[in-house]
Amino acid sequence: EPEVTQTPSHQVTQMGQEVILRCVPISNHLYFYWYRQILGQKVEFLVSFYNNEISEKSEIFDDQFSVERPDGSNFTLKIRSTKLEDSAMYFCASTPIWDRGSYEQYFGPGTRLTVT
Amino acid sequence: LAKTTQPISMDSYEGQEVNITCSHNNIATNDYITWYQQFPSQGPRFIIQGYKTKVTNEVASLFIPADRKSSTLSLPRVSLSDTAVYYCLVGMDSSYKLIFGSGTRLLVRP
Repeated sequence: EPEVTQTPSHQVTQMGQEVILRCVPISNHLYFYWYRQILGQKVEFLVSFYNNEISEKSEIFDDQFSVERPDGSNFTLKIRSTKLEDSAMYFCASTPIWDRGSYEQYFGPGTRLTVT
Repeated sequence: LAKTTQPISMDSYEGQEVNITCSHNNIATNDYITWYQQFPSQGPRFIIQGYKTKVTNEVASLFIPADRKSSTLSLPRVSLSDTAVYYCLVGMDSSYKLIFGSGTRLLVRP
């Protein structure tokens, strides 16, 4: 069964450093998302991406964040200058095409980002 | 998006049926009801979705009464591996993002 993959599984970085989290969505999917989950808290939407552009971003997704689909397979989240509060699990998700009757998104296993 | 209310936690034992109810009093006519499951340190996983009456798949059943102001996720004969957080989501905004609440933390005991 196709699945969303994410690398690395765990990233440790120092405050102020740039990190790039990578995701490979399912190949025929068209909509891509990043979510994050701070330890013990809710899963929070960060950004959605469709047709090579951002569809929507949350207030968390400030100028320090960017997303890119550099080729036909990867989808990346870049945090330009990490802060301690960026420590969280980051999940990538994808969905094939929005059918009004289906709210199924496929999530990756996540990248645990630890900022020290 | 409809606001949802579900129990914070539930306990069960292996082999029992578990029913988790979600209230969504202000559900809109076009809203679907979707349930996700999340194991510790893993991404959420879609379980089931429905609009009205009953939906069943290989994992769970979803019961939705006629007024659609609540829904019940039913997990038959749970096992230890069903210990997870279960999220009820109702509706979708125009950007199709998922809005997760706090969910119900289900603990299955031996």
